[in-house]
This record gives sequence, C-alpha cells and structure tokens, in this order.
Amino acid sequence: SAVISQKPSRDICQRGTSLTIQCQVDSQVTMMFWYRQQPGQSLTLIATANQGSEATYESGFVIDKFPISRPNLTFSTLTVSNMSPEDSSIYLCSVQGPLSYEQYFGPGTRLTVT
Amino acid sequence: SQQGEEDPQALSIQEGENATMNCSYKTSINNLQWYRQNSGRGLVHLILIRSNEREKHSGRLRVTLDTSKKSSSLLITASRAADTASYFCATGGTSYDKVIFGPGTSLSVIP
Repeated sequence: SAVISQKPSRDICQRGTSLTIQCQVDSQVTMMFWYRQQPGQSLTLIATANQGSEATYESGFVIDKFPISRPNLTFSTLTVSNMSPEDSSIYLCSVQGPLSYEQYFGPGTRLTVT
Repeated sequence: SQQGEEDPQALSIQEGENATMNCSYKTSINNLQWYRQNSGRGLVHLILIRSNEREKHSGRLRVTLDTSKKSSSLLITASRAADTASYFCATGGTSYDKVIFGPGTSLSVIP
C-alpha cells in the first residue's frame, strides 16, 4: 500500500483567497486523484492528475477554480481559488494501488472558508 | 458524479449483531469496492469484488455482487463498536482508472 501525506491538515481561510494543498506519496504512481467531501456527504471526484499532462476535470469542476500541478510521480498540488464558504470541505488526494483498482487516500485537508 | 444509491443511509445496531448495507449503481462496471471512513483513521479500502465474481469474503466482511440487478451488499458479521463508521461503495471505471463513490451508509454499533 502507498503512504500519502497532505499539507495542511486543516486551514481556516477568508473568502476570496486561495489555498494550495500538497499531496506527497511515498512511491512513484502514474495517476493521482483529488476528491472533495462536503460536510456529511460522500466523496466527489474533482480531477485526475497524470504526471506530465494536464489534469482531467470532472463535470462541474474547472481548472480556473481548482488548478492542479503534477510536477513528478510522487507529488501533486490542488489549489482552491477565490474561495467562498461553499468551498468548505475536506479535500483528499488518492492514488491507485499497484495490484488492482483499490485506492489509497491521504488523511485529507479540512478547509473552512469564512 | 456519484454512481448510485446506498441503503440504508443510517443504521444502528447492537454489538454482536450483523449489519447489512446495500449499494446500487447505474452503469456497467469492472469492479466494485467498499471503503470505510471514520474520524480516527480516514478512508480505508475494505474489499474489492470484480464484475465476474458473485461473492467475496474478508474476515468478518462478506460482499456480494449482482451485475444483473446492478447491486452489491456488504455484510459485517458479529459487529463491534469499532465498526462504527461510514461505509461507501465505489465503482471502478471501465474506460480509465477513476473511482466513483456512492452516498454512503452511516453505521453505529452500540456497545
């Protein structure tokens, strides 16, 4: 299994500002995924990030709002731009396991926008 | 976007009882997975069942898959207070490797 860390673990931000979340994996992986989990809800996939190419965004998510970087095979960042209170969520990064389609998740970043 | 529905949305049982959660999905799948999320340990992968499998066991977990009905169930036997968590089913894509989660079932196991 992969060990994933995220920074920051939580943050409280003001409306209109941006926050960049970092995700570090202890092994090289092809694909990394970013999810959002709104309070009391399930996980919603934001985008898939491949190293060396543009991230692929799911319906309802756009690059201007959630720019993603993937500079190498162990690291990715997600920026939440021009935040509003509706962006208050837990943001999780994940990677696919080596054997099959199971995914391993980071601990999440709990974001509160005031 | 989410694949389908899970029921019940919330389940409360006594320790030692069995807990059954159901999941339905909408499109064809390669596999279906179950995850657990609690506040202490984050999101953890429990079990994966492939589309050509009908039943799978892992410890106290039993998962069934009925592709004709597009549904799956997770049975936790002899539940423990530590099983208190939210349980999510998730489907793997057939085109590329993204995982889509259902809405989840909140399980409370009362000691």
